[in-house]
Amino acid sequence: GAGVSQSPSNKVTEKGKDVELRCDPISGHTALYWYRQSLGQGLEFLIYFQGNSAPDKSGLPSDRFSAERTGGSVSTLTIQRTQQEDSAVYLCASSLALGANVLTFGAGSRLTVL
Amino acid sequence: SQQGEEDPQALSIQEGENATMNCSYKTSINNLQWYRQNSGRGLVHLILIRSNEREKHSGRLRVTLDTSKKSSSLLITASRAADTASYFCATDGAAGNKLTFGGGTRVLVKP
Repeated sequence: GAGVSQSPSNKVTEKGKDVELRCDPISGHTALYWYRQSLGQGLEFLIYFQGNSAPDKSGLPSDRFSAERTGGSVSTLTIQRTQQEDSAVYLCASSLALGANVLTFGAGSRLTVL
Repeated sequence: SQQGEEDPQALSIQEGENATMNCSYKTSINNLQWYRQNSGRGLVHLILIRSNEREKHSGRLRVTLDTSKKSSSLLITASRAADTASYFCATDGAAGNKLTFGGGTRVLVKP
């Protein structure tokens, strides 16, 4: 597609439920990032995929968070046993990762955990 | 922890005035970028400055970089109401891959 697509755009879930957030990057972009943004705050790095290399998972806040990227394209961020503090906007971005790493962001998935 | 920290956290100006915001970072970088975010959703890339550059212009935007002080500034000249947004700096590490973002500066341009 022309841009980075994220789904769902909004998700309301109950505490303890699992959620999956999907990111479809720009075709041909080898790098894919997940960030989390709480209300009025900056972006918190979660995980970074680059080609076939092992992902950089250093930003995942707990073992309830995981992400995978299948076939070097679509990525899914999974949050198990959601907690209220997981409520945030989850942003996905992709880049060509050639030279300077200029990111193209999706519109985000707003997660609300009740 | 965040690599970049923006200052001020919030800025309110009248249309036509200039807006200046600063970013400080901690480690060596290859590039520093500025992004804009409207309505709390996706970010849009504005401008990139390389570590061997000191100043860069793009339209009404002017970015400076001082690697000795590990700081950058973004100047928006002749601001418009449409410039109302949050502005973030982002830096890569020496390896030039992962981008980390600062906390952002919220700019309000009053008509």
